[in-house]
Amino acid sequence: NAGVTQTPKFQVLKTGQSMTLQCAQDMNHEYMSWYRQDPGMGLRLIHYSVGAGITDQGEVPNGYNVSRSTTEDFPLRLLSAAPSQTSVYFCASSYGNLGGYTFGSGTRLTVV
Amino acid sequence: AQKITQTQPGMFVQEKEAVTLDCTYDTSDPSYGLFWYKQPSSGEMIFLIYQGSYDQQNATEGRYSLNFQKARKSANLVISASQLGDSAMYFCAMREPSQAGTALIFGKGTTLSVSS
Repeated sequence: NAGVTQTPKFQVLKTGQSMTLQCAQDMNHEYMSWYRQDPGMGLRLIHYSVGAGITDQGEVPNGYNVSRSTTEDFPLRLLSAAPSQTSVYFCASSYGNLGGYTFGSGTRLTVV
Repeated sequence: AQKITQTQPGMFVQEKEAVTLDCTYDTSDPSYGLFWYKQPSSGEMIFLIYQGSYDQQNATEGRYSLNFQKARKSANLVISASQLGDSAMYFCAMREPSQAGTALIFGKGTTLSVSS
């Protein structure tokens, strides 16, 4: 099984550019979420989804959009990149509502 | 208020010694899950151990055990017989069925350094 696949692994953007971070899982997991990791801040929740067609905001949603048209895919869109969005982004998925999450390998994004 | 608090930014231990990483949590939900993840320098998030709020016994996974004290809202990770490969960042996290789509909420992490 591939698990949770994130692409790209690295990305450099210019301020104001837009892009989509891809996340796909092949485990038929209902629950998916996006996090950003910054030094000293732990992982902070950006957006989450409890199933296809259902998404909601987490702790730090500003500047990001998500959609969940299929169970497998949960892309994260940066609308107009800012240097403050320089971070490592993780996508994660889970089957049940109390079990553990499986994480992707992360995307390191730099906005210049 | 923080949901998950890890008060130790860094911990240092020698090989073969045991170490305890502290975690306290805040919830009013009677049903919740507590997790520990390891993040080595390579960056991936590795699941270590899980404790459910209704579990009567402390969880154990090999050299890892979770010291669960429900009344104190404490979920400390104990690593026995530390190894050099245990050097990493460790995150405590909680999942509540009634909050944020049951997404994990993380603490800020503890960096563990194991020396020979």
